[in-house]
Amino acid sequence: EAGVAQSPRYKIIEKRQSVAFWCNPISGHATLYWYQQILGQGPKLLIQFQNNGVVDDSQLPKDRFSAERLKGVDSTLKIQPAKLEDSAVYLCASSLVGTGYWNEQFFGPGTRLTVL
Amino acid sequence: DAKTTQPTSMDCAEGRAANLPCNHSTISGNEYVYWYRQIHSQGPQYIIHGLKNNETNEMASLIITEDRKSSTLILPHATLRDTAVYYCIVFHTNAGKSTFGDGTTLTVKP
Repeated sequence: EAGVAQSPRYKIIEKRQSVAFWCNPISGHATLYWYQQILGQGPKLLIQFQNNGVVDDSQLPKDRFSAERLKGVDSTLKIQPAKLEDSAVYLCASSLVGTGYWNEQFFGPGTRLTVL
Repeated sequence: DAKTTQPTSMDCAEGRAANLPCNHSTISGNEYVYWYRQIHSQGPQYIIHGLKNNETNEMASLIITEDRKSSTLILPHATLRDTAVYYCIVFHTNAGKSTFGDGTTLTVKP
């Protein structure tokens, strides 16, 4: 079974520039998550989709971050404009959701963003 | 979601059992305990989960106290490849946020 795919793996940008990350979840997984992981900390949930609807985006800085999941499959996360404190690894995860399913999340390799 | 408390770091000798504790004193009756680990430069990986009973799979064992306020992840024969950050998370299946703490950094030494 193919895993969660993310691209790019690494990105370096200047502050105030914009950047986008892409995620393709495991086929058939209805739920998709974006996390931000700052060095030395655990992952922090930014947004959770079920199919193409947003379940939770309470920790997404909406003034600069946006995410979409068109057609309920792959997803993009955008930062515009980037700040120095956005330097982190951005992880995408997916899971099967539904009655009787437990919530094991499968994570992609992440995108390491450096903002200079 | 219930919060968890884990030690910041632990060491273990290769071949010995690694016992990683987690406190979750505010856990509610419908919340499961999940364990994930994150090897350097990779995404987190699911290990095991449980509700009330002890659980075992090919990777590890999970011991949950009777009052469910704490649990222990046991790696029976730790290898150098088990060096990672281990996260204990509690949340309701199919609902709730995924709240990762900062985890325990386990270092397995030769």
